[in-house]
Amino acid sequence: AQKVTQAQTEISVVEKEDVTLDCVYETRDTTYYLFWYKQPPSGELVFLIRRNSFDEQNEISGRYSWNFQKSTSSFNFTITASQVVDSAVYFCALSEAYYTGANSKLTFGKGITLSVRP
Amino acid sequence: KAGVTQTPRYLIKTRGQQVTLSCSPISGHRSVSWYQQTPGQGLQFLFEYFSETQRNKGNFPGRFSGRQFSNSRSEMNVSTLELGDSALYLCASSLAQGARNTEAFFGQGTRLTVV
Repeated sequence: AQKVTQAQTEISVVEKEDVTLDCVYETRDTTYYLFWYKQPPSGELVFLIRRNSFDEQNEISGRYSWNFQKSTSSFNFTITASQVVDSAVYFCALSEAYYTGANSKLTFGKGITLSVRP
Repeated sequence: KAGVTQTPRYLIKTRGQQVTLSCSPISGHRSVSWYQQTPGQGLQFLFEYFSETQRNKGNFPGRFSGRQFSNSRSEMNVSTLELGDSALYLCASSLAQGARNTEAFFGQGTRLTVV
């Protein structure tokens, strides 16, 4: 069975600080996909990043960066120079790689509530 | 390009009633998935539909059902509502084309309250 653990439940930082959100996953699949989603108070889950299991290259996209390490089953997400608008709940998610290629069943972590204070 | 649209946004029902929620995916998206979000259990997968067929199902009782129409719009139904069914129900659509595992785009959800 798949499992995603987000050990941090709440993080509070001051604006412009960097913040790293941790994610540890478990799966028996050799091919899988990892995601980070953001949920603002409006309720909609907003897609942030995706990484597949055979590509451990870490990237930076604007103020976002991620660190994927298969050896430790971790997929951490960093926001650089945080802003008040980054305040939201952040979810890490895992999906199997269906033969159809569809992303149809996400297993989510419990989420991390990030508060960025001015 | 319009996003995923869920209707209604808010709903109050009485225990024992049934409810139908609607989801219109992004144009061109053929896969629609449903999730239940509660404070206690978090986000849990309900089911996924692709080309009008249920392709995957989560661990929920038979009171939860769904369907997908030829235009990819989907509905989910919950019969004999229980207080514990109070939740935010989120719909997600994805392209599901070829071998690409594409990201899911979510709607704003339907907030169901059972009293």
